[in-house]
Amino acid sequence: DTAVSQTPKYLVTQMGNDKSIKCEQNLGHDTMYWYKQDSKKFLKIMFSYNNKELIINETVPNRFSPKSPDKAHLNLHINSLELGDSAVYFCASSQGLAGANVLTFGAGSRLTVL
Amino acid sequence: GQNIDQPTEMTATEGAIVQINCTYQTSGFNGLFWYQQHAGEAPTFLSYNVLDGLEEKGRFSSFLSRSKGYSYLLLKELQMKDSASYLCAVMDSNYQLIWGAGTKLIIKP
Repeated sequence: DTAVSQTPKYLVTQMGNDKSIKCEQNLGHDTMYWYKQDSKKFLKIMFSYNNKELIINETVPNRFSPKSPDKAHLNLHINSLELGDSAVYFCASSQGLAGANVLTFGAGSRLTVL
Repeated sequence: GQNIDQPTEMTATEGAIVQINCTYQTSGFNGLFWYQQHAGEAPTFLSYNVLDGLEEKGRFSSFLSRSKGYSYLLLKELQMKDSASYLCAVMDSNYQLIWGAGTKLIIKP
């Protein structure tokens, strides 16, 4: 049973399109995250939600909009896709925010914008 | 600014020992994490250090010196499956994780 599942795993689309990536966790965690990993392999936090409330919102273009309908789900919608949005997007979850805050990651969604 | 430094790539031989270093400069410190990431896969948790000293977990150990802003991950009895990237991450005073770019470890037979 997958702990953190995200779909789709691969997404190829044209510039200017709108796309969504979905994430669900069945670990009972109360915090969920979206990370972007670019070609240089840096993991950059984009958003974090704790019990459906947005707690981290890094400097990300407002074309990216997260939505958390409940604490087990955190979806990412991207409007007007650009070439620079091509990356692997990882969803993750954790129990709490502090201390030994171990993240469990989803398998990643590889977005390619043509 | 906040910064995590680790070597880009290392090569080691199967059965040997390798040490991957990580130095950090962050706004506060609330723990240091090591994650393993195989190519095309998600990062998975390896270790957590918040106090100075060595934490041992099977073939893997992680060391921390807070005064030096330094950690290392020690991998013993290397196996081919240990070929992966190893990511160092520090939790700062705001409980945000600051990530290094990762060290790609190549294991040769």
